[in-house]
Parts: sequence; C-alpha cells; structure tokens
Amino acid sequence: TQLLEQSPQFLSIQEGENLTVYCNSSSVFSSLQWYRQEPGEGPVLLVTVVTGGEVKKLKRLTFQFGDARKDSSLHITAAQPGDTGLYLCAGEGGYSTLTFGKGTMLLVSP
Amino acid sequence: NAGVTQTPKFQVLKTGQSMTLQCAQDMNHNSMYWYRQDPGMGLRLIYYSASEGTTDKGEVPNGYNVSRLNKREFSLRLESAAPSQTSVYFCASSDLLGTENNEQFFGPGTRLTVL
Repeated sequence: TQLLEQSPQFLSIQEGENLTVYCNSSSVFSSLQWYRQEPGEGPVLLVTVVTGGEVKKLKRLTFQFGDARKDSSLHITAAQPGDTGLYLCAGEGGYSTLTFGKGTMLLVSP
Repeated sequence: NAGVTQTPKFQVLKTGQSMTLQCAQDMNHNSMYWYRQDPGMGLRLIYYSASEGTTDKGEVPNGYNVSRLNKREFSLRLESAAPSQTSVYFCASSDLLGTENNEQFFGPGTRLTVL
C-alpha cells in the first residue's frame, strides 16, 4: 500500500505570511497532484507534477516534485484569506487510481 | 456542463437500512470513482470503474457495492448501513485513463449519517 504523509496537519497564519506544506512517501509515484478543497465542496485540481525535480508556479503558489519522485512541497507566498482551505496531495500509482494524503488544513486570517 | 452531480446531498439512515448514492457525469469520461472522506483521514477510495463495464475494489470496499450503469452513471449502494459508514461520499470522474495527467473531477459530495 502506497502512503502519503502530509505535514503539517493544520496551519493557522496571518495574511501576508509565507508557508510551506509537505507531502512525503516511501514509494515512487508516476505523478503527483495537488488539490484544494473548500468547505462543503469537492476537491479541485491545482497542479500535476510529473518529472523529478520539476517546479511549477501558479501565481503565488510554487509546487516542487522531489528528484526521486517520492515527495513534493507546496509553497505559498504572501498568503491571502482566499487561500483558506484543505490542501490535498495525491499520488498516481497504477490503474489510474490516486492515493491521497490526509490533507493540510490552512486558515489565513485577515 | 454540470460536471459531476451527486444525489442526494444529505441523508440520514438508521442502522440496517439500505440506500443508493447516485452519481452522473456529462464530460464523456471513461473512469469513475467513489471515495469517502472522514475527519483526519483524507480521501479513501471505495470502488472505481476504469471504463464502462468494469468495476474494481479500492482501499475500503467492505459494506459497499457499485454499479456502472452506463458511461455517464456510477452508483454506490449500502446494503445494510452501519454507524461506521457515517461519512462524506464523493464521486469523481476522469478521462485520461492510464496517462500522466489523471485529473479527477469531483462532485459536491453526499453527507451521510447512520444512526
């Protein structure tokens, strides 16, 4: 069974601060995805990283895939209240299924 | 396009009752999935259907059955509900079977309470 460990589980910060969320595994994944989920809704894909060492930027969000394709990080610069939500990483193993981490709940206060 | 729709949005059952959760997608996707989400547990795969006519067990299939009715619809059935099945259930679909970018599109969820 492939497991993904996310840290921290919960993060409460002030608007304007920077933060990093981590997603780690002992298994290699063919790709890794990051989703954001807002209360009462389903997760929505933010980004997919495929190549070891890959870095992708989405406005103030920077995603990195580890060289060995076992871990990933999400860095948010100058967080805003609109960034509040549950951030989930998910690794693609076989048969088009995803293994999800338990998530990081981010709360950004004005 | 409505994307992925789920019915009902909320449901309360008594232990031992049965019910079917409905899911439909209008994106012509091949693959469909059922997950449950519990506090602190993330999303766990119950069953999936890689393509029309096939279904497979995920991580937590016990107590559930599924039917891929056609390409659009994938239902989840609880034959005899138990309090441990209290959860939020999400249906998802994806089009890129076995490729690198397996983006999954999620429905809004069904919040189920079993008393």
